[in-house]
Amino acid sequence: DAKTTQPTSMDCAEGRAANLPCNHSTISGNEYVYWYRQIHSQGPQYIIHGLKNNETNEMASLIITEDRKSSTLILPHATLRDTAVYYCIVSQPYGQNFVFGPGTRLSVLP
Amino acid sequence: GAVVSQHPSWVICKSGTSVKIECRSLDFQATTMFWYRQFPKQSLMLMATSNEGSKATYEQGVEKDKFLINHASLTLSTLTVTSAHPEDSSFYICSARVSGPPWEQYFGPGTRLTVT
Repeated sequence: DAKTTQPTSMDCAEGRAANLPCNHSTISGNEYVYWYRQIHSQGPQYIIHGLKNNETNEMASLIITEDRKSSTLILPHATLRDTAVYYCIVSQPYGQNFVFGPGTRLSVLP
Repeated sequence: GAVVSQHPSWVICKSGTSVKIECRSLDFQATTMFWYRQFPKQSLMLMATSNEGSKATYEQGVEKDKFLINHASLTLSTLTVTSAHPEDSSFYICSARVSGPPWEQYFGPGTRLTVT
């Protein structure tokens, strides 16, 4: 079973920030949090990962709570092309296989 | 980010025939690759873990004699669906994992298999 829970769906207005939450209350100290997204009929696209600290790259920011039991992916200025299913994944220890949950379907509205 | 390719992107085959899908990591070496299957409106489900130079590890319920996996080099893994049946029709996706932490995976674009 997936080690994360995410809302089933979210809407966001174009140009606004999209904040996607993820709960991972059973995360262990050596497990990373990864975010991927999947646009219809394509393979998942890597977005960002984090261990303890907040992270930012050209696509998004990842905010991880101090107790590491939850995180938020932030798309600062959502566009229509950001409409996708977003997956939050906690790795099995030492880089074992990913377990995908149902993810959050983000719809960016004009 | 790293690039993973799959070939073919889509394939239609007749029931009883075999189909081979290739997965290549284009700009990094991957000792471990994964094969997933995704049915419509469902999430990805791991089928097997492919390690270079050794036998693949299959998830429970996945028939190893039906889904043959070969990982002969650090940049290529293949999945062969043998004696395909209509229920094997699905979206097959591979990923390649970087060696060492944070062990992120990069995914191929997927292969749509339709068995008639």
